[in-house]
Amino acid sequence: EVQLVESGGGLVQPGASLKLSCVASGFTFSDYWMSWVRQTPGKTMEWIGDIKYDGSYTNYAPSLKNRFTISRDNAKSTLYLQMSNVRSEDTATYYCTRTMMVTCDYWGQGVMVTVSS
Amino acid sequence: DIQMTQSPASLSASLGETISIECRASEDIYSNLAWYQQKSGKSPQLLIYAANRLQDGVPSRFSGSGSGTQYSLKISGMQPEDEGDYFCLQGSKFPLTFGSGTKLEIK
Repeated sequence: EVQLVESGGGLVQPGASLKLSCVASGFTFSDYWMSWVRQTPGKTMEWIGDIKYDGSYTNYAPSLKNRFTISRDNAKSTLYLQMSNVRSEDTATYYCTRTMMVTCDYWGQGVMVTVSS
Repeated sequence: DIQMTQSPASLSASLGETISIECRASEDIYSNLAWYQQKSGKSPQLLIYAANRLQDGVPSRFSGSGSGTQYSLKISGMQPEDEGDYFCLQGSKFPLTFGSGTKLEIK
């Protein structure tokens, strides 16, 4: 059974940094591209970016590219999202997803990030 | 970015009714379209990928169709467990973009 478990969310002050993690199980992690997607409290979905199975290539949403970094550790079956200089508009539930045929086939349970002073 | 216009924003259906949800892309997305269901408080579940391919384990009452810029999701015979939010995702061009979602309720 494919499982994706995110962690690392919480309340963070504007301008701070935060690193989210996603531990994968139930499939060969190093065979798949992986993605991060976020959903605002108003339910708007936004694709953040993805990373190649070997970690050698990433794609980002242009609006987030300068502040967000996606990485992975295949030895630990773990995907990361480093967020810097966070803003109130980054308040959202962040999902880790497995990428298959240019879509997201499995999603984690999500982790909430609230940016507020 | 490719804009995905999804309609309707909300829909109320009776049990057994057949409903359709539409997504229109701002340019040709060559059938690189997926549909998701999200139940309250849960993460999205993939229903349809590549416009018309049913994900494993998804009931056959769900179907997808379309090409070019116009796509639709059909539920043939609404069931109580089909209540939730539905949205589309285009995977043709980066950045991937989502439709704004459709809230489906039982009438």
